[in-house]
Amino acid sequence: GEDVEQSLFLSVREGDSSVINCTYTDSSSTYLYWYKQEPGAGLQLLTYIFSNMDMKQDQRLTVLLNKKDKHLSLRIADTQTGDSAIYFCAEIGDNDMRFGAGTRLTVKP
Amino acid sequence: DGGITQSPKYLFRKEGQNVTLSCEQNLNHDAMYWYRQDPGQGLRLIYYSQIVNDFQKGDIAEGYSVSREKKESFPLTVTSAQKNPTAFYLCASRDYSGQGLGELFFGEGSRLTVL
Repeated sequence: GEDVEQSLFLSVREGDSSVINCTYTDSSSTYLYWYKQEPGAGLQLLTYIFSNMDMKQDQRLTVLLNKKDKHLSLRIADTQTGDSAIYFCAEIGDNDMRFGAGTRLTVKP
Repeated sequence: DGGITQSPKYLFRKEGQNVTLSCEQNLNHDAMYWYRQDPGQGLRLIYYSQIVNDFQKGDIAEGYSVSREKKESFPLTVTSAQKNPTAFYLCASRDYSGQGLGELFFGEGSRLTVL
């Protein structure tokens, strides 16, 4: 099974904030990543955070990292219907990559 | 434009047939990967290659084979020994040079259906 854990489903109303949570295992990872997968497509890198940072903000996206608890979260402000997708968190080391199972975000109008 | 190209997008196979999925990248990445994705599940690693003419088994290599004769190409063959091959297959590559973030770049995927 995965060492990176995410909840599988999240449903929000359009305009609300979405928060997707992830716990990871390898504290030696230099970067932690969030990928987005639209239906029938590959994964696209959405954002990332350097392991020495606590927070990174990029327009509507905010990534929070708690290294002590090995907890990573992705907040999407003002969620839109186009944000409906599967979101994967990933830790990628030199020789090992681990992905969570993905959180399916559904945005209701 | 640089990227990863997978083909075909959709593929149908009869039981007992081998099929080969193509993956080509022009990103000059040394490492390439094949993942399998099933509905509601995460990504499972099939095979990976960190250098030409070398590849390693991932977590679910049984029933699959690969080759890495060129840096740009990493085809995956789904053999008749794979008991449940219907899935979405994703190819990815990665830059080990240290110039970038070290993230994986993914193709658009190939959906294989066994009839």
